[in-house]
Amino acid sequence: ETGVTQSPTHLIKTRGQQVTLRCSSQSGHNTVSWYQQALGQGPQFIFQYYREEENGRGNFPPRFSGLQFPNYSSELNVNALELDDSALYLCASSLGGADREQYFGPGTRLTVT
Amino acid sequence: AQKVTQAQTEISVVEKEDVTLDCVYETRDTTYYLFWYKQPPSGELVFLIRRNSFDEQNEISGRYSWNFQKSTSSFNFTITASQVVDSAVYFCALRPSGGYQKVTFGTGTKLQVIP
Repeated sequence: ETGVTQSPTHLIKTRGQQVTLRCSSQSGHNTVSWYQQALGQGPQFIFQYYREEENGRGNFPPRFSGLQFPNYSSELNVNALELDDSALYLCASSLGGADREQYFGPGTRLTVT
Repeated sequence: AQKVTQAQTEISVVEKEDVTLDCVYETRDTTYYLFWYKQPPSGELVFLIRRNSFDEQNEISGRYSWNFQKSTSSFNFTITASQVVDSAVYFCALRPSGGYQKVTFGTGTKLQVIP
C-alpha cells in the first residue's frame, strides 16, 4: 500500500508569482485535505475535496484554490504569492466519512521571497 | 468555533523520565473526535491516537497513555520512560464527528528528551 506523497519537497518563489503543489493520495482514498503550517504553529485547514468537489474550506482567501482528479490525486494552487504564504503545506488523504482516519504526506516547504 | 490549547510550548526531560503533554479544547459540538499526532523533524505528521467524545476510557499503548476528561475538556498524553526517539513536536487536534473532516490543531508542544 503506497502512502501519501507530495511534490515538490521544497520550492522557492517570488512574491506575486503563482505556485502549484501536488499530492498523491494513499491507494483507495477518495478524500483529500490541505493544510498550511507556518513555522512554529499547528497546521491550519485550507480545504477538503471529496470525489473531485470541494466540500469544506477554512479561512483562506480565494487565491488558494484546488483540484482533485478522477484518480483522487490533488493540486493546491496559490496565486499572487505573499511573504506570509511561506510555510509547510501538508496534504492528508482518507476514505471520507467522519470516522475515517487521515494520513498525512511529508509536506512541501514553500518559501516566498 | 473550535479551539485547541497546548499551553506547554517546549518541554525538556532526561531520558527515562515520564512526561505529560497537556491539551485543553473548546467546542460546541456534542460529538467530536480528539487526536494526538507526532511530528518529527522530517515534517510528516504521524497519527498516534483518536478518541471519540463518547468514550472517556483512558487508553494505554506501550509507553503511551492518554487521559480524556470531558468534564474539564482535557485530553492529556503521557509518555512513560521517555526515550530520545520521542523527541518531536506533538500536536493535539479536534474534529467534529459530522460533516467534512476539518481538523483544528493546537500549536504543538516540542518535546526534547536528553540522553
